Amino acid sequence: QSVLTQPPSVSGAPGQRVTISCTGSSSNIGATYDVHWFQQVPGTAPKLLIYGSINRPSGVPDRFSGSKSGTSASLAITGLQAEDEADYYCQSYDISLSAVVFGGGTKLTVL
Amino acid sequence: QLQLQESGPGLVKPSETLSLTCTVSGGSISSSPYYWGWIRQPPGKGLEWIGSIYNSGRTYYSPFLKSRVSIFVDTSKNQFSLNLRFVTAADTAVYYCARHGPEGVVAGWLDPWGQGTLVTVSS
Repeated sequence: QSVLTQPPSVSGAPGQRVTISCTGSSSNIGATYDVHWFQQVPGTAPKLLIYGSINRPSGVPDRFSGSKSGTSASLAITGLQAEDEADYYCQSYDISLSAVVFGGGTKLTVL
Repeated sequence: QLQLQESGPGLVKPSETLSLTCTVSGGSISSSPYYWGWIRQPPGKGLEWIGSIYNSGRTYYSPFLKSRVSIFVDTSKNQFSLNLRFVTAADTAVYYCARHGPEGVVAGWLDPWGQGTLVTVSS
């Protein structure tokens, strides 16, 4: 069981907006540690999508955005495209474990 | 452009030691004040952090693997390595190496990543 909780799956039609939640606790996200998001197409390495909870690396479309509040964070994807179909993971740090922690991952299906 | 590449045996016998190396190109580990990490992903499952090392040699390990893990850095070869002892079938996974950002922060993001290498534990 992952320290950070994500929904196993989300889906949306092309052009729609979807959000993926990442729920933690007072020892990680709630302890003001940033959340980072990755996109992973099966068979490939994870790709950094959002860092520092809200920042996009160069080259990542502005359709992707991140937010954080309290002990949770969210990744929003607007204008859904077929190429967005992938697994998405959140990452943070847990002060109680002194460990980097990941969410269990969310599979995004574009209908 | 910084690139990372994992290397090592693809098959390890149960109870033996899994050893992998990550070779860094496009930048120097010794002059880069970053943490360098190992992450794994069992087939069909999620990402699991194994541990990370600073260029000075300071390490952080997953509390769930700490008793079996060692990570060390060889600045002369611009590499860092992973040893995982007493492996079982549950250690079968794709193993990735990656760099943490920003400088000096193990809690930071992981980017870039190596392409990953599949290690199977089987007799």
